[in-house]
Amino acid sequence: DVKVTQSSRYLVKRTGEKVFLECVQDMDHENMFWYRQDPGLGLRLIYFSYDVKMKEKGDIPEGYSVSREKKERFSLILESASTNQTSMYLCASMLSGSVTQYFGPGTRLTVT
Amino acid sequence: DAKTTQPPSMDCAEGRAANLPCNHSTISGNEYVYWYRQIHSQGPQYIIHGLKNNETNEMASLIITEDRKSSTLILPHATLRDTAVYYCIVRPRRDKAAGNKLTFGGGTRVLVKP
Repeated sequence: DVKVTQSSRYLVKRTGEKVFLECVQDMDHENMFWYRQDPGLGLRLIYFSYDVKMKEKGDIPEGYSVSREKKERFSLILESASTNQTSMYLCASMLSGSVTQYFGPGTRLTVT
Repeated sequence: DAKTTQPPSMDCAEGRAANLPCNHSTISGNEYVYWYRQIHSQGPQYIIHGLKNNETNEMASLIITEDRKSSTLILPHATLRDTAVYYCIVRPRRDKAAGNKLTFGGGTRVLVKP
């Protein structure tokens, strides 16, 4: 079974803090994604990566950056957290050529 | 990607089959039907997908009408753990990761009752 893990299930940070969200997958997938999910807005893509050190912006990259130094790990960075970044953050991975995305359990981030 | 329409909610009795409809009348010939579900406070989970033939796996069956304008996801013996929001997505298969982002609509909130 594919396993996608995220570093924290719940996180509380203060405005202005730098926040790191980590995602690790164990199935050698080339593609990894970061989404956020908010009530009424559905799932929105922040960034994705199709290979090590490769990244592309999704629909809402502002205020975020990412890092993919190793194939299995994809990090989402909030350089200076703001209250409007309070959300559920979901990481997913996908094998190239496949149609299935495998999601992690999510990190519920609250910025106060 | 083609638009989909699903009922906002439905109840189902434990042990019975749950039939979840999805309308996608503007589907194109190269678009697949995908189903995901999301249990409360968890990440989405892939269930099944199909192009035009009916499909079955260990989780569910997918029935696609001959004109492909609608489909039904069948959970053959619903359990309490199947309580979740179920999303129907229609989109083409894309080679580049750029095109593979998922966009979930409102979905159907399924409540399995004992």
